[in-house]
Amino acid sequence: NAGVMQNPRHLVRRRGQEARLRCSPMKGHSHVYWYRQLPEEGLKFMVYLQKENIIDESGMPKERFSAEFPKEGPSILRIQQVVRGDSAAYFCASSPQHGGYTDTQYFGPGTRLTVL
Amino acid sequence: QKEVEQNSGPLSVPEGAIASLNCTYSDRGSQSFFWYRQYSGKSPELIMSIYSNGDKEDGRFTAQLNKASQYVSLLIRDSQPSDSATYLCAVNPRNTDKLIFGTGTRLQVFP
Repeated sequence: NAGVMQNPRHLVRRRGQEARLRCSPMKGHSHVYWYRQLPEEGLKFMVYLQKENIIDESGMPKERFSAEFPKEGPSILRIQQVVRGDSAAYFCASSPQHGGYTDTQYFGPGTRLTVL
Repeated sequence: QKEVEQNSGPLSVPEGAIASLNCTYSDRGSQSFFWYRQYSGKSPELIMSIYSNGDKEDGRFTAQLNKASQYVSLLIRDSQPSDSATYLCAVNPRNTDKLIFGTGTRLQVFP
């Protein structure tokens, strides 16, 4: 009964490099959400995806950040040319098929990104 | 005004007492409300969800929702030291699927 899986769990990058964070939703879940948690701050919504579609990217920074959820494989959050301010915990959540009210979102273990 | 507000705490209660955590939200059209627990360095773990006015009980936890007053609360009965964590209130605003989180209330249960 695998939950939401994220990898890597820890990622260290130097300024200017690219970071790729992966998320596999729970079995049977078709909705993926990415959140960012800066040190000593709350969780902030970034993007909501379904297979092959970005539904809501209102929380994504306009530059350097992109996300995808291909037909096959995990969802990817990509950060290009990382800066120190990108250091944070990035959490992925998944939910089952939407049914009226927002379905419960279950969180993965997170990827902790450190930018040197 | 923040969309979801919580007292950051820490809220300190003795073991066995009732811990009361509160949250207010600004979007009157919000429909779904969640409480998550987050231990330091870990990911959020769902405690309760509530959609209708009133109380919802699950074991030692009771969620209370009052849409007219735009607040949601979480009561933890018979608090245990293992309940010491940060409790996050999350709200689903109208016409969206994202969750808006409060900054969390840190709960400390001392023996």
